[in-house]
Amino acid sequence: DSGVTQTPKHLITATGQRVTLRCSPRSGDLSVYWYQQSLDQGLQFLIQYYNGEERAKGNILERFSAQQFPDLHSELNLSSLELGDSALYFCASSTWTSGDNEQFFGPGTRLTVL
Amino acid sequence: GENVEQHPSTLSVQEGDSAVIKCTYSDSASNYFPWYKQELGKGPQLIIDIRSNVGEKKDQRIAVTLNKTAKHFSLHITETQPEDSAVYFCAAVQGEYGNKLVFGAGTILRVKS
Repeated sequence: DSGVTQTPKHLITATGQRVTLRCSPRSGDLSVYWYQQSLDQGLQFLIQYYNGEERAKGNILERFSAQQFPDLHSELNLSSLELGDSALYFCASSTWTSGDNEQFFGPGTRLTVL
Repeated sequence: GENVEQHPSTLSVQEGDSAVIKCTYSDSASNYFPWYKQELGKGPQLIIDIRSNVGEKKDQRIAVTLNKTAKHFSLHITETQPEDSAVYFCAAVQGEYGNKLVFGAGTILRVKS
């Protein structure tokens, strides 16, 4: 158990819908990262927040957005969903903002878009 | 940006044998190279990492080597056990603050008993 929690575990929805994925980092960690894992794209970095502020952006679509709240939990919002958005979404947390410290991954949310 | 290539995509070894997974990276500015293990239904977990000022690092049966000149790094697992069966990912850090992890495509390791 990494100490990172993600809800829900599974999410099934239809094209065009909007969903929110939630992540609680390990106690004391200020950085939260979001990743998308799919068979064709592999594990891809989406976005990072550090202590409430966006710090780095990866291959995140404009239909996706995220935020980190004062209690440090984070939410990833996915809108106008398409079939290709079906994937595993992981949240990870780390103590600092720089990438050269261990990232602890949550168990993931499996999103299925029908 | 950074690009990380990983080989092989699948690897089958007999229990007790060694396994080697290789990665190459493109950005010479990258300075941190972690390896993650992902078991079925779980998130990736860090197993070992190496920084650019070090050529080799060992942790029990696991070792990582880094060749900065050639821009490649490798994971070595000795005396493999069935519980080593998993997907292994290499990664390199990029970004202005060195805070983006770019992952390789992954290697499925099967240890046959």
